[in-house]
Amino acid sequence: QKEVEQNSGPLSVPEGAIASLNCTYSDRGSQSFFWYRQYSGKSPELIMFIYSNGDKEDGRFTAQLNKASQYVSLLIRDSQPSDSATYLCAVYGGSQGNLIFGKGTKLSVKP
Amino acid sequence: ETGVTQTPRHLVMGMTNKKSLKCEQHLGHNAMYWYKQSAKKPLELMFVYSLEERVENNSVPSRFSPECPNSSHLFLHLHTLQPEDSALYLCASSIIPQSNEQFFGPGTRLTVL
Repeated sequence: QKEVEQNSGPLSVPEGAIASLNCTYSDRGSQSFFWYRQYSGKSPELIMFIYSNGDKEDGRFTAQLNKASQYVSLLIRDSQPSDSATYLCAVYGGSQGNLIFGKGTKLSVKP
Repeated sequence: ETGVTQTPRHLVMGMTNKKSLKCEQHLGHNAMYWYKQSAKKPLELMFVYSLEERVENNSVPSRFSPECPNSSHLFLHLHTLQPEDSALYLCASSIIPQSNEQFFGPGTRLTVL
C-alpha cells in the first residue's frame, strides 16, 4: 500500500511567521505532488503543485520537492489567520494511477 | 452555477433507507470521481468515471452503487448502509482521467443512524 505521511498537528504559528508543512511519500515512482487547503466544513482546494526537484513559488506559498529523499514541503510566508486550515498533501503517479492523499496537517495562525 | 456542485449538502439516513447523492460539474471535464473523507483518515478514492465509463472501483462495498449518465452528472446510490459509512462524500472532476488537477465539490455530510 502506497502511503503519504503528514504530521497531523496542530501546527501553531504566530501571525507574520513562516509556516512549514512537511510530507513524505513511499512510492519512489511518484511524479506529481500537490498541496490542497481545506477549511473546516469545506472541500479541498488546490493551492500548489510541483513536478520537478527544487522550489516553486506562488505568492506567499513555496513548494519544495526532493525526490531523492521522497519529501515535499509547503512554506507559507507572512502567515495570516486566514491561512488557518488543514493542508493535504497528495501524490500522483508511480504504481498507482490515482491521487493518494495524506491525512493532512492542521495549521493554526494566531493573531 | 459554476464549478462542481453536490446535493444534498447534509443527509441523515437509517440503515434500511435508500438514498442518492448527486454531483454536477459545469467545467466541461471528462472525468469524475467519488471520494470518502472520514475523521482522522486520508481521503479515499471510491470510484472514477471517464467519459461516463467506470475505470476504477477501489474495492468499495456493493452497498455503494455509482451511476454516471453523462459526463456532467454523477450519482452515488446508497442502500443498507452501516454507521461506519458516516463521512463526508466528495465529488471531484478533472479535464482528463487521472489528471493531476482535480476540482472538488462542497461535499455531502452523511450520517447513518
